[in-house]
Amino acid sequence: ELTQPPSVSVSPGQTAGISCSGDTLGSRFVSWYQQRTGQSPLLVIYKDNFRAPGIPERFSGSNSGNTATLTIRETQAVDEAVYYCQAWDSASLGLFGGGTKLTVL
Amino acid sequence: QLLLQESGPGLVKPSGTLSLTCTVSDDSITTNSHYWAWIRQPPGKGLEWIGSLSYRGSNFYNPSLKSRVTISAGTSKSQFSLRLNSVTAADTAMYFCARQNIATRDFDFWGQGTLVTVSS
Repeated sequence: ELTQPPSVSVSPGQTAGISCSGDTLGSRFVSWYQQRTGQSPLLVIYKDNFRAPGIPERFSGSNSGNTATLTIRETQAVDEAVYYCQAWDSASLGLFGGGTKLTVL
Repeated sequence: QLLLQESGPGLVKPSGTLSLTCTVSDDSITTNSHYWAWIRQPPGKGLEWIGSLSYRGSNFYNPSLKSRVTISAGTSKSQFSLRLNSVTAADTAMYFCARQNIATRDFDFWGQGTLVTVSS
């Protein structure tokens, strides 16, 4: 199971951090997806800290211990979305976190 | 630019079978570097992985759905399908097909999704 905070708020231009926790998560690769309202998910980060093609450098990821984190620097209104973390367990079960709604105030 | 498009009935009766097809443009599901997956999202809720198709190997499914799910390649090399048996209202969701990178295991391209409602 992957646990995310339901919501995170940030002011424009500030840094937002979204956490994802799970047992021994640091030993597994984590991906992050952005889902804007009414759209399908978009891959943002893969293999913990690699940006998908076309994703701004403002987006970064880290993963250690039991927690992975998506960090968005210089947050913009266009970043407002629900963000999901995703990983695979040892039995090849695909797991998604519950999602975190990022609000840019 | 890779495009995936889901198609199929938007309404299924309880206890019936949900059948969807995903058509892939600019690619072939026979590729050695990708799996092909189905993921669903109930209205207002989060994402749930259903299963992934390996064209040259074994498929793998979410254990919570495994007894009711079949993902298979279509007769065309650009299509794969989802069948979900014995559906209930809990299966009402937006269903997405996606390409999965074998090496990194992430879902790097998604379809726009199709809403399936289970109701009599």
